Amino acid sequence: AAGVIQSPRHLIKEKRETATLKCYPIPRHDTVYWYQQGPGQDPQFLISFYEKMQSDKGSIPDRFSAQQFSDYHSELNMSSLELGDSALYFCASSSMTEQETQYFGPGTRLLVL
Amino acid sequence: AQSVTQLGSHVSVSEGALVLLRCNYSSSVPPYLFWYVQYPNQGLQLLLKYTSAATLVKGINGFEAEFKKSETSFHLTKPSAHMSDAAEYFCAVSVSQGGKLIFGQGTELSVKP
Repeated sequence: AAGVIQSPRHLIKEKRETATLKCYPIPRHDTVYWYQQGPGQDPQFLISFYEKMQSDKGSIPDRFSAQQFSDYHSELNMSSLELGDSALYFCASSSMTEQETQYFGPGTRLLVL
Repeated sequence: AQSVTQLGSHVSVSEGALVLLRCNYSSSVPPYLFWYVQYPNQGLQLLLKYTSAATLVKGINGFEAEFKKSETSFHLTKPSAHMSDAAEYFCAVSVSQGGKLIFGQGTELSVKP
């Protein structure tokens, strides 16, 4: 079965640079979620989109922005990167028929030097 | 606000022994509860979920969990551990369809031969 696709899988950036993470949800899934998992920590919710509109917002820094496009893929844009942004970033998706269940992608590992 | 507590950051069992990973939740409304497994350098895979149907939920790989409202618990069990079960396990709660997941701190399961 098709799964959530995230790209890139690994990313290395310098401080103050910008990064863009992409997420392609499971086909026919209309809701996308972004989570950040720091080293040795549990995933923390950042932001979610339903039908291209922001549906909820968590502890997402103002330096980060995200959007969902007409084909339902989503992008997380991160500017002025800091060392503390180094983490695993997960995207998850859910469908109208199974709204409560989120299926996760493999994650993008971001390293900020 | 909802929260999740996983008792024991590390659990070690022998191959063939019972696996018991503890999860307690706090929620002011009936929750949706999930267990996810994370293998090293991989994403989160859904093991099982509770969505107010049967209180005993069976998942993949022989795992099951029982929702006990009186104890606000959702412990994960497996009768016989296998070496391939070694991973990080996360309990999560959501209070609405399409809502964000709140994760516990995770429990690392080690399986000894």
